[in-house]
Amino acid sequence: QKEVEQDPGPLSVPEGAIVSLNCTYSNSAFQYFMWYRQYSRKGPELLMYTYSSGNKEDGRFTAQVDKSSKYISLFIRDSQPSDSATYLCAMASYKLSFGAGTTVTVRA
Amino acid sequence: GAGVSQTPSNKVTEKGKYVELRCDPISGHTALYWYRQSLGQGPEFLIYFQGTGAADDSGLPNDRFFAVRPEGSVSTLKIQRTERGDSAVYLCASSFGGTGEADTQYFGPGTRLTVL
Repeated sequence: QKEVEQDPGPLSVPEGAIVSLNCTYSNSAFQYFMWYRQYSRKGPELLMYTYSSGNKEDGRFTAQVDKSSKYISLFIRDSQPSDSATYLCAMASYKLSFGAGTTVTVRA
Repeated sequence: GAGVSQTPSNKVTEKGKYVELRCDPISGHTALYWYRQSLGQGPEFLIYFQGTGAADDSGLPNDRFFAVRPEGSVSTLKIQRTERGDSAVYLCASSFGGTGEADTQYFGPGTRLTVL
């Protein structure tokens, strides 16, 4: 079993829809929880960073962490075609353990 | 300012050859990481440097893989006797080496290695 499991997708949604992405993890040592966005043939870029259970909002993005269930989520509101990318969850003590990534396509 | 840069962007080699992949981290970042990303997968940790020393090399798959960071800045990932299974995108990331959000890792664009 992998340390980090991510819903495989792919997801295709119409513009303006809410995108919901999820990951589960098994390692209780993880202290930091992140979402990265990766465009084709580019390196991952940090989108959201959290370290405690609860919600964190940044514009159209909301990250949720539930440490008791070892479950994290990312919600994208009012999705735009420019949000089309692969979204990777990542967890860290210091080195990052990534999920496999979910490819999201937002249709105009 | 300049981000993490990696060269070459693409490398095609033949099975059995030796390759070197270079990473230039963000200036002032003491921590440097190498990851490998296979098609359709998330990046997998290879090795972590704090300064010049490899603090954790537990992700290197075998002794054909080696990395150095002699002056605590630029790092080179070296792969000997390449195999077709080594084909992947090799990503480098750097951070300040602190704790928490201060240790956010910034990724380079990667080197796409293809072993024929």
